[in-house]
Amino acid sequence: SQTIHQWPATLVQPVGSPLSLECTVEGTSNPNLYWYRQAAGRGLQLLFYSVGIGQISSEVPQNLSASRPQDRQFILSSKKLLLSDSGFYLCAWNPSGRKTQYFGPGTRLLVL
Amino acid sequence: AQSVSQHNHHVILSEAASLELGCNYSYGGTVNLFWYVQYPGQHLQLLLKYFSGDPLVKGIKGFEAEFIKSKFSFNLRKPSVQWSDTAEYFCAVSYGSTLGRLYFGRGTQLTVWP
Repeated sequence: SQTIHQWPATLVQPVGSPLSLECTVEGTSNPNLYWYRQAAGRGLQLLFYSVGIGQISSEVPQNLSASRPQDRQFILSSKKLLLSDSGFYLCAWNPSGRKTQYFGPGTRLLVL
Repeated sequence: AQSVSQHNHHVILSEAASLELGCNYSYGGTVNLFWYVQYPGQHLQLLLKYFSGDPLVKGIKGFEAEFIKSKFSFNLRKPSVQWSDTAEYFCAVSYGSTLGRLYFGRGTQLTVWP
């Protein structure tokens, strides 16, 4: 069966520090991959999605970037974190061509 | 721009009460509709989904939702809630030609008192 992993689960970082969040999916190949962010009191906002290795689409221009170095690995990065980057980051996947997305456990990021 | 509205941000009910959570979306055309649930400390899980066919769909744990195209709505219902239904509920929509991109509502926190 397919599983999705995210780490770390919780992260506290100072303003201006770099960020790297990782997401991996097991048990499938060529999935579509997504990064969402949920800020306090707000819904989930799509940040990036990828349909294949090296293919990244950005939905919201901001301080973050994403990369997909391997088929089942999706990385969210920042060179310098801002206070406004605090939030709950969720990775999701769906089989290519299918409509239902499945979510990882999330990473709670606090930028101080 | 596409948007999803959940009108209730926090709902508090007693056990055995009936539940209805509202969800409205903008824009017509072919839509795919979802309700996700996040129990405390757990992953976001799929509760139910609608792609086509019978507009009344049944999901897990006794939940159901009705798609009313004329009202752009997809309300979630449960006849009798339990304490274990305490969670945050998210309505989400994707559109036929947008490669699975999901638009989420803000979420509704449901608290059920025993």
